[in-house]
Amino acid sequence: NAGVTQTPKFQVLKTGQSMTLQCAQDMNHNSMYWYRQDPGMGLRLIYYSASEGTTDKGEVPNGYNVSRLNKREFSLRLESAAPSQTSVYFCASRISGSSADTQYFGPGTRLTVL
Amino acid sequence: AQSVAQPEDQVNVAEGNPLTVKCTYSVSGNPYLFWYVQYPNRGLQFLLKYITGDNLVKGSYGFEAEFNKSQTSFHLKKPSALVSDSALYFCAVRDRSGYALNFGKGTSLLVTP
Repeated sequence: NAGVTQTPKFQVLKTGQSMTLQCAQDMNHNSMYWYRQDPGMGLRLIYYSASEGTTDKGEVPNGYNVSRLNKREFSLRLESAAPSQTSVYFCASRISGSSADTQYFGPGTRLTVL
Repeated sequence: AQSVAQPEDQVNVAEGNPLTVKCTYSVSGNPYLFWYVQYPNRGLQFLLKYITGDNLVKGSYGFEAEFNKSQTSFHLKKPSALVSDSALYFCAVRDRSGYALNFGKGTSLLVTP
């Protein structure tokens, strides 16, 4: 049981390049999330998927797209990377039986955009 | 909007002393509150949560948190700090959609020998 896994762990992009961050969970969770973490700002929600087949915008969705590929996988795409997207990206999942459910986080992807 | 605030950027404690990391909340309705810890270059790990019931919640690694409705606070505590407790601590509240979490900015805890 690996929990939530993310690839890659590190990535350096040039401005304007595109890339996809991958996330997978093996806990049979319904809901999945993408957050970004910036110094002094905590974690901010980019997009989430309450269940397979649905996605919704979070607090900071601009410049990102997501795909809920199946119940296990939720990817985050940067179509044209900008330096402002330099951040650490975390994927999380939750079983989503009730609001009391706990979110479990992956190890993160550290992205630098030059 | 459901939100939490962590008023201290950093807390310094000597090993063996009690520690407190503060969190206050602002919500409409009943709050669902969480504490997470982040060790360097790692993801967030769940420590504990308050949903309802007993105001003193016990969690992982000897941590506990006290829910105080009148003061709208949910402070994280530990009776005796360890150097290995040094990390970044996040308080969070379930948002109105019931799906996502709204996080505080984090408090860096430094425990010195």
